[in-house]
Amino acid sequence: NAGVTQTPKFQVLKTGQSMTLQCAQDMNHNSMYWYRQDPGMGLRLIYYSASEGTTDKGEVPNGYNVSRLNKREFSLRLESAAPSQTSVYFCASSEALRGRNIQYFGAGTRLSVL
Amino acid sequence: KNEVEQSPQNLTAQEGEFITINCSYSVGISALHWLQQHPGGGIVSLFMLSSGKKKHGRLIATINIQEKHSSLHITASHPRDSAVYICVAAPLGGSNYKLTFGKGTLLTVNP
Repeated sequence: NAGVTQTPKFQVLKTGQSMTLQCAQDMNHNSMYWYRQDPGMGLRLIYYSASEGTTDKGEVPNGYNVSRLNKREFSLRLESAAPSQTSVYFCASSEALRGRNIQYFGAGTRLSVL
Repeated sequence: KNEVEQSPQNLTAQEGEFITINCSYSVGISALHWLQQHPGGGIVSLFMLSSGKKKHGRLIATINIQEKHSSLHITASHPRDSAVYICVAAPLGGSNYKLTFGKGTLLTVNP
């Protein structure tokens, strides 16, 4: 099992460019998440998908869109990248286990917006 | 003020030392997680606990619900334990999707 796979691992964009970060999980989890991690701050939730066909905003959704393509895949799109979106992005998935939420993380995507 | 506070922010130890990282939270929780993030960036879940103590190898996690405090201990520390350790609170009665993350403790273990 690969777990949670994110692509790409690194990306450099110019301000105004668009791109999509891909995430796939092979653990048959219902829930998937996108986080960003910035220096001096904890992980912050951008969007999540509780189950296939649903998506909801997290703490910092502005400037992002998501698509839950199927149960395996959850993509994050930046329509017009801004320097403030320079960050490390993590995808995660989980299956509530006895009512509690263990999350499995991807390796991260380092994004720089110039 | 962050609802999850970790201390210390940075910790340097010599190989073999006993390590303690603390986490205090101000919200009611259903569970508390400890994550480990290695220098390469990958994040793994170490523990999830809602009461008492859990042990895995040289790692021990404890939680005191009344005091809203958790500790992560590492016995006989090793340079490969060098990583950022993150405390995460899962809120009581709320969505499992509204986790609150601490800012992390950077541990460096020197040989």
